[in-house]
Amino acid sequence: DTGVSQNPRHKITKRGQNVTFRCDPISEHNRLYWYRQTLGQGPEFLTYFQNEAQLEKSRLLSDRFSAERPKGSFSTLEIQRTEQGDSAMYLCASIELQGVGYTFGSGTRLTVV
Amino acid sequence: LAKTTQPISMDSYEGQEVNITCSHNNIATNDYITWYQQFPSQGPRFIIQGYKTKVTNEVASLFIPADRKSSTLSLPRVSLSDTAVYYCLVGPFSGGYNKLIFGAGTRLAVHP
Repeated sequence: DTGVSQNPRHKITKRGQNVTFRCDPISEHNRLYWYRQTLGQGPEFLTYFQNEAQLEKSRLLSDRFSAERPKGSFSTLEIQRTEQGDSAMYLCASIELQGVGYTFGSGTRLTVV
Repeated sequence: LAKTTQPISMDSYEGQEVNITCSHNNIATNDYITWYQQFPSQGPRFIIQGYKTKVTNEVASLFIPADRKSSTLSLPRVSLSDTAVYYCLVGPFSGGYNKLIFGAGTRLAVHP
């Protein structure tokens, strides 16, 4: 296992379009997290899953955002009707139930033009 | 989760020891202290976690005084590749139960 994989690495989209990002966590990790990071700021929590169950969503996650983790494996984050304010790095992290440190992916950089 | 305060930026030179201090006055009894490192265009990377006294691994040392209201990340003999943002986080992280709350971090610049 080579770590947490995120695809695509970069995405440029026009305002109003829908985009979907994928995260493949480390296979034995039960918990999967999504974060958003803007320039000069630390990552902000969006949502997390334990296996296939979405256990918490941040208020940052508006109705235009939806995340899934079918079968408790990979996860997708979809943004509908993108806005320029959605431009950010979207990070995925995973950890096993008794783990100490989270493993982050390299992120997907979204630019909305 | 306890709020943390750390310097916005620090400068150092290759070969020096760097100490980054984090204040967390409201740390709770079951809170751990965790540090992450982030390079540009990459996700944060776990460095070290501790509860009290001193923890050392192959990358860094973490010093935590008895009152646990602060902690110091120590990077021995830094190199240019240690230039990164360092985040201090405090919370009941044992078992991967909680989400991470990041501040703005400390931007460390290592110069030749």
